[in-house]
Amino acid sequence: AQTVTQSQPEMSVQEAETVTLSCTYDTSESDYYLFWYKQPPSRQMILVIRQEAYKQQNATENRFSVNFQKAAKSFSLKISDSQLGDAAMYFCAYSSTRSSNTGKLIFGQGTTLQVKP
Amino acid sequence: DTAVSQTPKYLVTQMGNDKSIKCEQNLGHDTMYWYKQDSKKFLKIMFSYNNKELIINETVPNRFSPKSPDKAHLNLHINSLELGDSAVYFCASSIAGRAGNTIYFGEGSWLTVV
Repeated sequence: AQTVTQSQPEMSVQEAETVTLSCTYDTSESDYYLFWYKQPPSRQMILVIRQEAYKQQNATENRFSVNFQKAAKSFSLKISDSQLGDAAMYFCAYSSTRSSNTGKLIFGQGTTLQVKP
Repeated sequence: DTAVSQTPKYLVTQMGNDKSIKCEQNLGHDTMYWYKQDSKKFLKIMFSYNNKELIINETVPNRFSPKSPDKAHLNLHINSLELGDSAVYFCASSIAGRAGNTIYFGEGSWLTVV
């Protein structure tokens, strides 16, 4: 069974600075997807970024980028130029490509990010 | 327009009661899900439906019964509510066929059992 681990329950960053959130996962599959979701106080789950395991190039979405290390099974999220609106809980998630599990996201425990003005 | 909408958003009820949460999506997706977020914020899938057919059932107690009248709706009925059922329940939807497709979540329904 796949597992996702986020070892940082809480992180804080100064506004305009850069912060990296860690995520490791365990799987025996070679093809899969990884995601970072943001959950602000409103509780809405918002997709931040996704990475396909067979793609070596790290995904980037504006100020958000990932460091995907497939061999190490590591998938960290870097937020550059942090803004107050980035304050939220961030979840790392894994999705198998097996058809029977399509859409089944396996989440980590979450990291609460505080942004200080 | 809300893409995935759930009702009610907040629900407080007594142990032993039966309650339902409704979900509708207007994205034209063919797959819908229920996820549960417990008091420690841990998120886990409960069910998924594709074109009204149950695809994933994650060993959820049979007090929980999902129903999908059509591919745009997925309701969750809970019988004999217990204190441990207190959680936020998220409905979500996506297009099937590709694991990396974006899953769109509703705003959640916060259930408190007293």
